[in-house]
Amino acid sequence: KAGVTQTPRYLIKTRGQQVTLSCSPISGHRSVSWYQQTPGQGLQFLFEYFSETQRNKGNFPGRFSGRQFSNSRSEMNVSTLELGDSALYLCASSLEAQRGYGYTFGSGTRLTVV
Amino acid sequence: AQSVAQPEDQVNVAEGNPLTVKCTYSVSGNPYLFWYVQYPNRGLQFLLKYITGDNLVKGSYGFEAEFNKSQTSFHLKKPSALVSDSALYFCAVRNEDSSYKLIFGSGTRLLVRP
Repeated sequence: KAGVTQTPRYLIKTRGQQVTLSCSPISGHRSVSWYQQTPGQGLQFLFEYFSETQRNKGNFPGRFSGRQFSNSRSEMNVSTLELGDSALYLCASSLEAQRGYGYTFGSGTRLTVV
Repeated sequence: AQSVAQPEDQVNVAEGNPLTVKCTYSVSGNPYLFWYVQYPNRGLQFLLKYITGDNLVKGSYGFEAEFNKSQTSFHLKKPSALVSDSALYFCAVRNEDSSYKLIFGSGTRLLVRP
C-alpha cells in the first residue's frame, strides 16, 4: 500500500515568491494535516482538512493557506515568502483523526527561501 | 493548554543496554499519545500509540511505552538498544476532543554507541 506522497522533495525559492506544496494521502484516508518543522520552533501544526473542509488552523499568518480536493489530495500554499519560512513541511494522513487513528507522515518537502 | 515535555535533548546508551526516552504531557481530558522517530532528511515514522486500554503499549522495532496517568508520563523504552536506533524521537499528544492536531515535544536525539 502506497504511503503518503509529498512533492516536490526539495524547493529553493526567492523571498517574495509564492510556493505550492502537494500531498497525496494514503488511499482511503480522508484527513490530511500539515506541519512545519524548524530547528528553532520544532514541529508546529499548520492546518487539518477532512472531506475538503478545513477543521482547524494553527497560529500561522494568512500567507499560509491550504485546500483539499475531492480525492483527498491536499495542497498548501505560502505567499510572499520570507526567509523564516525555510523549513521541512510535513504532511500527515489519517483514516479519521477524531477517533484516535494513527497519523502517517510523508517524507516532507524541504523549502529553502533565499 | 496542551503541552508535551521531553526533558532530555540527547540520550546516550551503549549497544545492548536498555534505553529510555522520557515524555511528560499536559492535556485536559483523556490523552491520545504517540511516539515517532525521524531519521536524517526523512519524515516522521510511527512507532506506537496509546489511546485506551492496557497501559503498556508495544510498538514497532521492539519499542514499548508505558502510560502512567498519575505521573502524566509516556516514556519510550527498549530492552536492548541497537546502533541503528540512533535517531531523533518525538512524543506527541492530543486529547480525545481536541481540534485534530498533534502537539509535539521538542524531540530527543538518541545516540547508541557500538
